[in-house]
Amino acid sequence: QVQLVQSGAEVKKPGASVKVSCKVSGYTLTELSMHWVRQAPGKGLEWMGGFDPEDGETIYAQKFQGRVTMTEDTSTDTAYMELSSLRSEDTAVYYCATKIAVAGSWYFDYWGQGTLVTVSS
Amino acid sequence: DIQMTQSPSSLSASVGDRVTITCRASQSISSYLNWYQQKPGKAPKLLIYAASSLQSGVPSRFSGSGSGTDFTLTISSLQPEDFATYYCQQSYSTPDFFGQGTKLEIK
Repeated sequence: QVQLVQSGAEVKKPGASVKVSCKVSGYTLTELSMHWVRQAPGKGLEWMGGFDPEDGETIYAQKFQGRVTMTEDTSTDTAYMELSSLRSEDTAVYYCATKIAVAGSWYFDYWGQGTLVTVSS
Repeated sequence: DIQMTQSPSSLSASVGDRVTITCRASQSISSYLNWYQQKPGKAPKLLIYAASSLQSGVPSRFSGSGSGTDFTLTISSLQPEDFATYYCQQSYSTPDFFGQGTKLEIK
């Protein structure tokens, strides 16, 4: 059973950066394909990016290219998502989620509890 | 990019009702379609993967169908705990776009 525990809520000023962590237990990070999904208040789910095991690379949604960096510390089984140049529209709950394939079909199976990032001056 | 469109965006129903939510892809995605349920303040929960496969532990009143561009999620007999927001998500190609969501409310 995979458990994902995320870091606590953050309040940032416009233009700053935020780094959210996601600690894995039950599996090692190298066994997982970790992704990040965000949800603005009252809005839907938005995929930001994640590790593509078929290519062995981290891929980012075009919308966030140049502003987001997703990294992993395999020594502590912790994944990180850093978003820079924050603006008010980045206020959202950020989720880490693992993506697995069953019979060739991929889906997000385990999710963190979410981290609220508030961007406000 | 493959866009996903759900309908309706909101729905009022009563306990015991049969409910259907639809999801349309902007191009064919074969059966690479997943459904999630999200309750307020909680992370999404996988219900259905590969269009019609029920995730372990999910009640059998939930079912999914479709292929190509048109898909449906059906709840055969609504229970009080089913009132939530439902999202479809295509996994045919990156980016992994979700539908905009369908909020299921108590009538």
